[in-house]
Amino acid sequence: EAQVTQNPRYLITVTGKKLTVTCSQNMNHEYMSWYRQDPGLGLRQIYYSMNVEVTDKGDVPEGYKVSRKEKRNFPLILESPSPNQTSLYFCASSLSSGTARTDTQYFGPGTRLTVL
Amino acid sequence: KQEVTQIPAALSVPEGENLVLNCSFTDSAIYNLQWFRQDPGKGLTSLLLIQSSQREQTSGRLNASLDKSSGRSTLYIAASQPGDSATYLCAVITGGGNKLTFGTGTQLKVEL
Repeated sequence: EAQVTQNPRYLITVTGKKLTVTCSQNMNHEYMSWYRQDPGLGLRQIYYSMNVEVTDKGDVPEGYKVSRKEKRNFPLILESPSPNQTSLYFCASSLSSGTARTDTQYFGPGTRLTVL
Repeated sequence: KQEVTQIPAALSVPEGENLVLNCSFTDSAIYNLQWFRQDPGKGLTSLLLIQSSQREQTSGRLNASLDKSSGRSTLYIAASQPGDSATYLCAVITGGGNKLTFGTGTQLKVEL
């Protein structure tokens, strides 16, 4: 089954304790992206990746890191989480990247993160 | 900076009614626009994608239109059903085709 998976689905942690949220897709998609969703603010793009070893900042990259060493995986790293990073996080992928992209975005089920 | 607004924020209709959801964006230089559906506790599901050169797209009871020059899109749902209850989000694609900006969504409830 074609899908985007995220782990963990739920995470409660404390300020400053490094964590990684994994994202994996099995569709051989080039493009992957991370979003956070907050009440009243909607979904905002954190980082995106056009292909292996190619990443760029979205609208809210501060406090996050990403890497794309393999095509299927795009982990989101919080080196020193803070309470303002408490949010619902989504990973997404689509077939291709670049101009005039016409591909549908496929979303993972989300990771609910609470930073105390 | 691109801003996307969706009106209304919430909508409640009786089953069988036709309805229109609105999406407006401030920068008309978009590559395409997508409508998504989000169910509670789940991820987003793509409903329709309209390329910037298109005026509308249809899928079953859904019809999405795009007026790029005026910065507007609408999602028309015909003969609404309780199963249509969800939050509907629109997103515009800019930044060389790699950046997505989402609206805050319309929460739809279709009542029996």
